[in-house]
Amino acid sequence: DTGVSQNPRHKITKRGQNVTFRCDPISEHNRLYWYRQTLGQGPEFLTYFQNEAQLEKSRLLSDRFSAERPKGSFSTLEIQRTEQGDSAMYLCASSSIAGKSPLHFGNGTRLTVT
Amino acid sequence: QKEVEQNSGPLSVPEGAIASLNCTYSDRGSQSFFWYRQYSGKSPELIMFIYSNGDKEDGRFTAQLNKASQYVSLLIRDSQPSDSATYLCAVLYNQGGKLIFGQGTELSVKP
Repeated sequence: DTGVSQNPRHKITKRGQNVTFRCDPISEHNRLYWYRQTLGQGPEFLTYFQNEAQLEKSRLLSDRFSAERPKGSFSTLEIQRTEQGDSAMYLCASSSIAGKSPLHFGNGTRLTVT
Repeated sequence: QKEVEQNSGPLSVPEGAIASLNCTYSDRGSQSFFWYRQYSGKSPELIMFIYSNGDKEDGRFTAQLNKASQYVSLLIRDSQPSDSATYLCAVLYNQGGKLIFGQGTELSVKP
């Protein structure tokens, strides 16, 4: 068990550029979650997958955000036409089974939009 | 009403005291509740989970759940300076779907 891995750890981009983050979950976990966290706030739910199926996406999520998990293993989160308000820590988490299994978080990707 | 609410703090307690952290949630159908600890600049790490009404103890930590009042709490006994962190309450919604977090309570344990 190598834990949840996220890349890159830090990303600085200019407003209007597209960025993509990658998350590799714990290998036997079939659920994968994306969260966004800003300073002083708890993690905000963005979306989650069970295997390759995206089961829910936050209503607050702009159309500029898209996530994929093509083979039910790693996942990518893309933000198009970044805005300064997108600056945050993007956290990925995975869990083993539906229901009561706790989430295990990666170290996050910190995005700064200048 | 927020789905999961916590006092943001900061909560300051002296070393050796009991720290009490509280959380309320809005979905009566929720069955699973978690406490995570987050140090500054780090990702959340799981401390405890609780599914049934009552108390659950693990070392210096006790989680308490009251589903009728939609209330969950975390007690930290013999608080240590290393316990200083933000504590996040999380509730599993939609009977197994998304995990929703509160805004976190910042705890400071003074030597």
